[in-house]
Amino acid sequence: DAGITQSPRHKVTETGTPVTLRCHQTENHRYMYWYRQDPGHGLRLIHYSYGVKDTDKGEVSDGYSVSRSKTEDFLLTLESATSSQTSVYFCAISEGQGAKNIQYFGAGTRLSVL
Amino acid sequence: AQSVTQLDSQVPVFEEAPVELRCNYSSSVSVYLFWYVQYPNQGLQLLLKYLSGSTLVKGINGFEAEFNKSQTSFHLRKPSVHISDTAEYFCAVNLGGNTPLVFGKGTRLSVIA
Repeated sequence: DAGITQSPRHKVTETGTPVTLRCHQTENHRYMYWYRQDPGHGLRLIHYSYGVKDTDKGEVSDGYSVSRSKTEDFLLTLESATSSQTSVYFCAISEGQGAKNIQYFGAGTRLSVL
Repeated sequence: AQSVTQLDSQVPVFEEAPVELRCNYSSSVSVYLFWYVQYPNQGLQLLLKYLSGSTLVKGINGFEAEFNKSQTSFHLRKPSVHISDTAEYFCAVNLGGNTPLVFGKGTRLSVIA
């Protein structure tokens, strides 16, 4: 998984509780991404980061926040989880954008919100 | 806005038969193109990429793809599939600059013995 660790790998939580997913990389890559994968929708970008403390919204950012205080860690927080956020979440990293935007993915976190 | 269309959501094919998974994109500028594969319960792995140069790109596991600028397509092919090729395949496009990758919705390839 190209030096990418996602934790936890599985989580079951209740509606209304906060949830934080962690992505850790050992590649020292500048860019990190959070996607969600749902049947019929493919991968959709939630947020991404282009450096420490530098983040931007993706296509489906509502209900999610992110933080990156160190190069190696990118956290995704669901402030108050809802059933519509039940999904598989993938973290990805890349060296840069354009021709350097070759993304490498973690193994995913399966989240169920009951 | 750029978009990526994978024309088939599911493709069943018999073992040792050829397969083509289709991908079209909408863009009037230069693009970088990627195919990723996802095996069950795993993350995505890069299969191949087109950045520049030859329009025929070879990837891992015997796959290849051809970039056709006039038809804005990047179809993935394999002349003879194996059971182990059963997976979901994603096409992705990057316009360059600081824009993130845009993924298609995926094509599920099922290889039948």
